[in-house]
This record gives sequence, C-alpha cells and structure tokens, in this order.
Amino acid sequence: EAGVAQSPRYKIIEKRQSVAFWCNPISGHATLYWYQQILGQGPKLLIQFQNNGVVDDSQLPKDRFSAERLKGVDSTLKIQPAKLEDSAVYLCASSLSRPGLAGGETQYFGPGTRLLVL
Amino acid sequence: DQQVKQNSPSLSVQEGRISILNCDYTNSMFDYFLWYKKYPAEGPTFLISISSIKDKNEDGRFTVFLNKSAKHLSLHIVPSQPGDSAVYFCAASAPSGSARQLTFGSGTQLTVLP
Repeated sequence: EAGVAQSPRYKIIEKRQSVAFWCNPISGHATLYWYQQILGQGPKLLIQFQNNGVVDDSQLPKDRFSAERLKGVDSTLKIQPAKLEDSAVYLCASSLSRPGLAGGETQYFGPGTRLLVL
Repeated sequence: DQQVKQNSPSLSVQEGRISILNCDYTNSMFDYFLWYKKYPAEGPTFLISISSIKDKNEDGRFTVFLNKSAKHLSLHIVPSQPGDSAVYFCAASAPSGSARQLTFGSGTQLTVLP
C-alpha cells in the first residue's frame, strides 16, 4: 500500500515570496491533516479536512496561509507572503477516521516538506 | 500552554537494556494516546497506542503504560536495539467538535548505544 506522498521535499525561498506544497493521502483515507513542525518542537496542527470540507482550521494563520483539498483527495497548502518564522517542516497526514468516531485514530504521515525562508 | 509534555529532550541507553520514555499531559479530555517514532528526513511513524480505559498495552518489545490519576504515560522498549535510535513523540487525542485532534509533545531523542 502506497503511503502519503508529499512534494517538494525541500524548498528555499526569500521572505515575502509565495510557496505551495502538495499532498496525496493514502487511497481511501477520508481525513487529511496539515501540520507545521518547527525545529525542536512537536508537530502542530494547521488544518484538518474531512473529504473536501474543512473540519478545523482554528490554528491556521489565515492572513497568509491557505489550503484546499480537491475532490476530497489531493491537497495543497499555500503560504503567501512567507515570513522568516515560517521556516519549518510541513507534514501531511491522513487517516481513515470519520468525524465523531469514538476512540482513537491512527494518522499516517508523509515525509514532509522542509521549508527555509531567507 | 503545552498540554502534552515530554520533559526529557534526550535519552541514551545501552543495547539490550530497557528504554523508558515519559510523557505528561494536562487536558482531562484526552482519551486516547499514541506514540510515534521519527527518523531523520522522514515523517513520524505510528508505533503503539492506548485507550484511556486501559492502563497497559503491549506490542512485541514495546509497552505503553497509562496512569490516568497522574496524567502520565510511558513507553518501555525491551530490549533496546540500535535501530530504535530515533525521536519519539507522545501524542494525545481528544474530541474537537465533530472531529478528533492530536496534540503532540516536543519529542525525546533516543540513542541506543551498541
């Protein structure tokens, strides 16, 4: 079974430029997540999709970050304009769970995109 | 406000010995806990989980213990192997509206010495 795919793996941009990341979740996974992981910290949830609808984007800096999930499959995360503090690894994850599912869920992560803003 | 804390940034253990990684949480709404392992340049990989209705879950060399009254969980690896060297993240899950969210700790770098 193919895992979560992300591209690009690395990106270096100047501040105030824009950048986009792409994620292809595991086939059949309804829920997709974008996380930001700053060096030395754990992943922090930015946005969560259920199929192609947003379930939670409370921690997404909406003045500069945007995300969409096309046809409930692939997703893109965009930063415009980028700031120095956006330097981080951006992780995409997916899971089979549906909203309201009791108990836990297992999220499967992609390799991440390492962003450096100069 | 860190709801999930891993107070030890690093841990070194001799091969064959037990590795114990600790995690504390503050939110009583967390009802499911997971451990992830992360190698450099890779995404986190699910390792083991435990529901809040249990106090222990075992999978091969990995055992997770949950002490709800102390809001503490630990991951035991016995025996430790050099391939276990990685960053280990503790994560806690709680309902959030119509969805569930994971909150991660900051990670512990485990080094298993041959």
